[in-house]
Amino acid sequence: DGGITQSPKYLFRKEGQNVTLSCEQNLNHDAMYWYRQDPGQGLRLIYYSQIVNDFQKGDIAEGYSVSREKKESFPLTVTSAQKNPTAFYLCATGGGPNTGELFFGEGSRLTVL
Amino acid sequence: AQSVAQPEDQVNVAEGNPLTVKCTYSVSGNPYLFWYVQYPNRGLQFLLKYITGDNLVKGSYGFEAEFNKSQTSFHLKKPSALVSDSALYFCAVRDASGTYKYIFGTGTRLKVLA
Repeated sequence: DGGITQSPKYLFRKEGQNVTLSCEQNLNHDAMYWYRQDPGQGLRLIYYSQIVNDFQKGDIAEGYSVSREKKESFPLTVTSAQKNPTAFYLCATGGGPNTGELFFGEGSRLTVL
Repeated sequence: AQSVAQPEDQVNVAEGNPLTVKCTYSVSGNPYLFWYVQYPNRGLQFLLKYITGDNLVKGSYGFEAEFNKSQTSFHLKKPSALVSDSALYFCAVRDASGTYKYIFGTGTRLKVLA
């Protein structure tokens, strides 16, 4: 089936640890995005990538890192420098200039203990 | 700066009544506008979009939205609400400059009462 797969669905982390969230897509989309969702704040853009081996910071990139070595994959690392990492993280891919809409994965909920 | 505003945190409507969820935007150039729905602990699902053409756009599950350029609004509507429509709704805009950045509103929780 075509789609976007995020893993893990739920993740617990101790303070001071880095954690990597996986996002894989087989929709053949060039653009991929990471958003953070907190209650009452909507979705905030962390990083996005329009093409392999290139990515740009979004509005809240501090404490996060990404890579885009393959078209299908856009992993997000939440580092120990992120002061408040507990959140719901959403990966999305873009349909490009013709379709326009984003397609979302099912999300990963990170809880820092 | 580009922005999207959803002025209502929550909208309550009785089942069978029409519903409206409001969205206004600020963006340079011609906007691409979108509505998404989110159920608890799930990703966002695309409902409809406006890129060009008719101001009234029809989408999934009986939803529609009206683009109003003079009022910079893109309100989501449905003629007859269902209890199953209860969810979190997000309005989003993508600017036309080619950056492919999408800006989301803060979301509106819709509660349809039986």
